[in-house]
Amino acid sequence: DVKVTQSSRYLVKRTGEKVFLECVQDMDHENMFWYRQDPGLGLRLIYFSYDVKMKEKGDIPEGYSVSREKKERFSLILESASTNQTSMYLCASISGGVRETQYFGPGTRLLVL
Amino acid sequence: LAKTTQPISMDSYEGQEVNITCSHNNIATNDYITWYQQFPSQGPRFIIQGYKTKVTNEVASLFIPADRKSSTLSLPRVSLSDTAVYYCLVGAYSGNTPLVFGKGTRLSVIA
Repeated sequence: DVKVTQSSRYLVKRTGEKVFLECVQDMDHENMFWYRQDPGLGLRLIYFSYDVKMKEKGDIPEGYSVSREKKERFSLILESASTNQTSMYLCASISGGVRETQYFGPGTRLLVL
Repeated sequence: LAKTTQPISMDSYEGQEVNITCSHNNIATNDYITWYQQFPSQGPRFIIQGYKTKVTNEVASLFIPADRKSSTLSLPRVSLSDTAVYYCLVGAYSGNTPLVFGKGTRLSVIA
Protein backbone atom coordinates (compact mmCIF):
# COMPACT_ATOMS: atom_id res chain seq x y z
CA ASP A 1 0.00 0.00 0.00
CA VAL A 2 1.09 3.51 -0.76
CA LYS A 3 1.86 5.48 2.32
CA VAL A 4 1.85 9.22 2.60
CA THR A 5 2.86 10.42 6.02
CA GLN A 6 2.80 13.88 7.52
CA SER A 7 5.08 14.95 10.31
CA SER A 8 2.38 16.04 12.74
CA ARG A 9 -1.34 15.46 13.20
CA TYR A 10 -1.78 18.56 15.33
CA LEU A 11 0.28 21.72 15.66
CA VAL A 12 -0.17 24.89 17.66
CA LYS A 13 1.93 27.89 16.69
CA ARG A 14 2.00 31.57 17.45
CA THR A 15 1.53 34.40 14.99
CA GLY A 16 4.79 35.26 13.27
CA GLU A 17 6.43 31.89 13.81
CA LYS A 18 8.00 30.01 10.93
CA VAL A 19 6.22 26.70 10.47
CA PHE A 20 7.40 23.61 8.62
CA LEU A 21 5.00 20.88 7.55
CA GLU A 22 6.69 17.77 6.24
CA CYS A 23 5.25 15.15 3.93
CA VAL A 24 6.88 11.88 2.91
CA GLN A 25 5.67 9.27 0.43
CA ASP A 26 7.11 5.82 -0.04
CA MET A 27 6.04 4.92 -3.58
CA ASP A 28 8.55 6.85 -5.66
CA HIS A 29 5.83 9.19 -6.94
CA GLU A 30 6.95 12.09 -9.08
CA ASN A 31 4.11 14.44 -8.18
CA MET A 32 3.28 15.81 -4.76
CA PHE A 33 0.72 18.36 -3.57
CA TRP A 34 -0.19 20.51 -0.62
CA TYR A 35 -3.82 21.42 0.01
CA ARG A 36 -5.60 23.22 2.76
CA GLN A 37 -9.11 22.42 3.76
CA ASP A 38 -11.49 24.77 5.51
CA PRO A 39 -15.17 24.31 6.39
CA GLY A 40 -17.38 25.07 3.43
CA LEU A 41 -14.47 25.64 1.06
CA GLY A 42 -13.42 22.12 0.17
CA LEU A 43 -9.81 21.36 -0.73
CA ARG A 44 -7.78 24.20 -2.16
CA LEU A 45 -4.44 23.61 -3.81
CA ILE A 46 -1.54 25.61 -2.36
CA TYR A 47 1.48 24.30 -4.24
CA PHE A 48 2.48 21.21 -6.14
CA SER A 49 5.66 19.70 -7.45
CA TYR A 50 6.08 17.37 -10.40
CA ASP A 51 9.78 16.73 -9.92
CA VAL A 52 12.61 17.26 -7.50
CA LYS A 53 13.39 20.93 -7.10
CA MET A 54 10.38 21.83 -9.24
CA LYS A 55 7.40 23.67 -7.84
CA GLU A 56 4.27 25.24 -9.19
CA LYS A 57 1.78 27.58 -7.54
CA GLY A 58 -1.69 26.33 -6.95
CA ASP A 59 -4.77 28.42 -6.32
CA ILE A 60 -3.75 29.97 -3.01
CA PRO A 61 0.07 30.18 -2.72
CA GLU A 62 0.22 33.51 -0.88
CA GLY A 63 1.91 33.22 2.49
CA TYR A 64 3.37 29.82 1.73
CA SER A 65 6.48 28.38 0.15
CA VAL A 66 7.59 24.82 -0.54
CA SER A 67 10.72 22.76 -0.83
CA ARG A 68 11.35 19.53 -2.68
CA GLU A 69 14.97 18.51 -2.31
CA LYS A 70 14.31 14.78 -2.47
CA LYS A 71 11.74 12.89 -4.46
CA GLU A 72 10.00 11.39 -1.45
CA ARG A 73 9.74 14.57 0.61
CA PHE A 74 7.72 17.72 0.04
CA SER A 75 7.74 20.45 2.65
CA LEU A 76 5.29 23.29 3.13
CA ILE A 77 6.64 26.39 4.83
CA LEU A 78 4.72 29.18 6.44
CA GLU A 79 7.31 31.94 6.62
CA SER A 80 5.39 33.97 9.18
CA ALA A 81 2.28 32.21 10.41
CA SER A 82 -0.92 34.20 10.65
CA THR A 83 -4.25 33.36 12.25
CA ASN A 84 -5.91 33.02 8.85
CA GLN A 85 -3.61 30.09 8.16
CA THR A 86 -5.32 28.05 10.84
CA SER A 87 -6.55 25.10 8.83
CA MET A 88 -6.26 21.42 7.99
CA TYR A 89 -3.31 20.80 5.69
CA LEU A 90 -3.31 17.76 3.45
CA CYS A 91 -0.44 16.34 1.46
CA ALA A 92 -0.94 14.04 -1.53
CA SER A 93 1.13 12.23 -4.11
CA ILE A 94 0.49 10.63 -7.48
CA SER A 95 2.73 8.80 -9.86
CA GLY A 96 1.32 10.37 -12.99
CA GLY A 97 -0.59 9.11 -15.99
CA VAL A 98 -4.18 9.79 -16.90
CA ARG A 99 -5.66 7.02 -14.80
CA GLU A 100 -3.61 7.54 -11.72
CA THR A 101 -5.26 8.59 -8.48
CA GLN A 102 -3.95 10.71 -5.67
CA TYR A 103 -2.98 9.24 -2.31
CA PHE A 104 -3.48 11.52 0.65
CA GLY A 105 -1.81 11.76 3.99
CA PRO A 106 -3.78 11.90 7.25
CA GLY A 107 -3.60 15.68 7.46
CA THR A 108 -2.12 18.19 9.88
CA ARG A 109 -4.48 20.37 11.83
CA LEU A 110 -2.69 23.67 12.43
CA LEU A 111 -3.85 26.25 14.92
CA VAL A 112 -2.18 29.66 14.80
CA LEU A 113 -2.78 31.75 17.89
CA LEU B 1 -10.07 21.81 -16.50
CA ALA B 2 -13.67 20.57 -16.43
CA LYS B 3 -15.69 22.07 -13.61
CA THR B 4 -18.03 19.90 -11.63
CA THR B 5 -21.30 20.56 -9.86
CA GLN B 6 -22.56 18.35 -7.05
CA PRO B 7 -25.27 18.73 -4.42
CA ILE B 8 -23.90 20.26 -1.25
CA SER B 9 -25.48 17.70 1.02
CA MET B 10 -27.69 14.63 1.10
CA ASP B 11 -29.37 12.62 3.83
CA SER B 12 -30.21 8.94 3.74
CA TYR B 13 -31.42 6.21 6.06
CA GLU B 14 -29.36 3.13 6.70
CA GLY B 15 -29.90 0.34 4.21
CA GLN B 16 -30.97 2.60 1.38
CA GLU B 17 -29.19 3.02 -1.94
CA VAL B 18 -27.70 6.48 -2.36
CA ASN B 19 -27.06 8.10 -5.72
CA ILE B 20 -24.94 11.23 -5.96
CA THR B 21 -24.91 12.95 -9.32
CA CYS B 22 -22.11 15.14 -10.61
CA SER B 23 -22.47 17.44 -13.61
CA HIS B 24 -19.47 18.11 -15.81
CA ASN B 25 -20.77 19.67 -19.01
CA ASN B 26 -17.40 20.58 -20.49
CA ILE B 27 -15.67 17.27 -19.98
CA ALA B 28 -12.90 16.67 -22.50
CA THR B 29 -12.37 13.59 -24.61
CA ASN B 30 -9.43 12.29 -22.59
CA ASP B 31 -10.85 13.13 -19.15
CA TYR B 32 -11.58 10.45 -16.59
CA ILE B 33 -14.14 10.74 -13.81
CA THR B 34 -12.89 9.93 -10.33
CA TRP B 35 -14.68 9.90 -7.00
CA TYR B 36 -13.06 10.31 -3.60
CA GLN B 37 -14.45 9.79 -0.12
CA GLN B 38 -13.36 11.76 2.90
CA PHE B 39 -14.13 11.00 6.53
CA PRO B 40 -13.76 13.69 9.20
CA SER B 41 -10.16 14.43 10.15
CA GLN B 42 -8.78 12.19 7.40
CA GLY B 43 -7.44 12.74 3.91
CA PRO B 44 -9.62 11.83 0.92
CA ARG B 45 -9.34 8.33 -0.43
CA PHE B 46 -10.05 7.01 -3.90
CA ILE B 47 -13.23 4.98 -4.29
CA ILE B 48 -13.93 4.61 -8.00
CA GLN B 49 -12.95 5.84 -11.45
CA GLY B 50 -14.49 5.50 -14.89
CA TYR B 51 -14.47 6.78 -18.43
CA LYS B 52 -17.82 5.65 -19.83
CA THR B 53 -20.79 3.35 -19.20
CA LYS B 54 -20.67 1.57 -15.86
CA VAL B 55 -17.92 0.66 -13.44
CA THR B 56 -18.44 -1.39 -10.30
CA ASN B 57 -16.14 -2.33 -7.46
CA GLU B 58 -16.58 -3.64 -3.96
CA VAL B 59 -17.46 -0.20 -2.63
CA ALA B 60 -19.60 1.54 -5.25
CA SER B 61 -20.84 1.75 -8.81
CA LEU B 62 -20.29 4.59 -11.22
CA PHE B 63 -22.76 5.26 -14.01
CA ILE B 64 -21.70 7.45 -16.93
CA PRO B 65 -24.15 8.22 -19.77
CA ALA B 66 -23.06 8.23 -23.38
CA ASP B 67 -22.58 12.01 -23.53
CA ARG B 68 -20.40 11.88 -20.38
CA LYS B 69 -21.72 15.25 -19.23
CA SER B 70 -22.68 13.81 -15.89
CA SER B 71 -21.95 10.81 -13.71
CA THR B 72 -23.68 9.13 -10.80
CA LEU B 73 -21.98 7.51 -7.85
CA SER B 74 -24.16 4.77 -6.41
CA LEU B 75 -23.62 3.44 -2.90
CA PRO B 76 -25.66 0.29 -2.25
CA ARG B 77 -27.28 -0.16 1.15
CA VAL B 78 -25.48 2.57 3.03
CA SER B 79 -24.55 2.27 6.66
CA LEU B 80 -23.69 4.87 9.28
CA SER B 81 -20.01 4.45 8.38
CA ASP B 82 -20.67 5.79 4.90
CA THR B 83 -21.27 9.24 6.37
CA ALA B 84 -18.59 11.30 4.64
CA VAL B 85 -17.93 13.94 2.01
CA TYR B 86 -17.82 12.64 -1.56
CA TYR B 87 -15.86 14.48 -4.24
CA CYS B 88 -16.24 14.16 -7.98
CA LEU B 89 -13.19 15.04 -10.06
CA VAL B 90 -12.92 15.23 -13.80
CA GLY B 91 -9.68 15.42 -15.67
CA ALA B 92 -6.75 13.63 -17.15
CA TYR B 93 -3.94 14.18 -14.76
CA SER B 94 -0.59 14.57 -16.40
CA GLY B 95 2.56 16.14 -15.10
CA ASN B 96 1.93 19.73 -14.16
CA THR B 97 -1.84 19.88 -14.50
CA PRO B 98 -3.36 18.82 -11.19
CA LEU B 99 -7.02 17.98 -10.81
CA VAL B 100 -9.27 20.39 -9.00
CA PHE B 101 -11.37 19.37 -6.02
CA GLY B 102 -14.78 20.97 -5.69
CA LYS B 103 -16.66 21.36 -2.42
CA GLY B 104 -18.03 17.84 -2.50
CA THR B 105 -21.30 16.35 -1.28
CA ARG B 106 -21.76 15.79 2.42
CA LEU B 107 -23.67 12.54 2.88
CA SER B 108 -25.29 11.96 6.26
CA VAL B 109 -26.60 8.48 6.95
CA ILE B 110 -29.25 8.29 9.63
CA ALA B 111 -30.14 5.23 11.67
